Amino acid sequence: ETGVTQSPTHLIKTRGQQVTLRCSSQSGHNTVSWYQQALGQGPQFIFQYYREEENGRGNFPPRFSGLQFPNYSSELNVNALELDDSALYLCASSGPGQADTQYFGPGTRLTVL
Amino acid sequence: GDSVTQMEGPVTLSEEAFLTINCTYTATGYPSLFWYVQYPGEGLQLLLKATKADDKGSNKGFEATYRKETTSFHLEKGSVQVSDSAVYFCALTASSGGSYIPTFGRGTSLIVHP
Repeated sequence: ETGVTQSPTHLIKTRGQQVTLRCSSQSGHNTVSWYQQALGQGPQFIFQYYREEENGRGNFPPRFSGLQFPNYSSELNVNALELDDSALYLCASSGPGQADTQYFGPGTRLTVL
Repeated sequence: GDSVTQMEGPVTLSEEAFLTINCTYTATGYPSLFWYVQYPGEGLQLLLKATKADDKGSNKGFEATYRKETTSFHLEKGSVQVSDSAVYFCALTASSGGSYIPTFGRGTSLIVHP
């Protein structure tokens, strides 16, 4: 059984640029959630996708957007990057029978200069 | 809205000491409760969970009991090891319109000295 994978591992961007982060869900999982984790903080929920539809959204501006594909993999896009967007971005998946349980990937460390 | 409150860290212990990390929650309905662990530079790993009142979750010597009367889910371990040094997150997931959106605490750092 393959776990959640994310790419890239690290990324450095400059303010104003756009970034795309990718996530492959665990085998058999149809729901993907994205989180932002600032240094020393807990994960903050960005949004969740279920069967290619946005299924819930946290308190993040519209420049944070996402997609889920038919194979349940997902992308997080962030436009007009700001310095405060520097964080660890975590993807988590969940599946039928354990919809309440999130399984996390290793994260993508984004640095905005 | 839902919320999770954890004790402030860091918690510093000697090897083989007893560990308690307190967690209380506020939620409508009947949430599932979780503890996750995060090692430096890594994502979160599910440590244990409990889905209803009086359930006890356990894994790798860690335990937590779902206490509905005190809205608590304290993490315990009888004898910690240096390898347990990490950040521990308490979380809850409640169903809302068919979706499950987790709420996390701020995390408690555990440092175990030899």
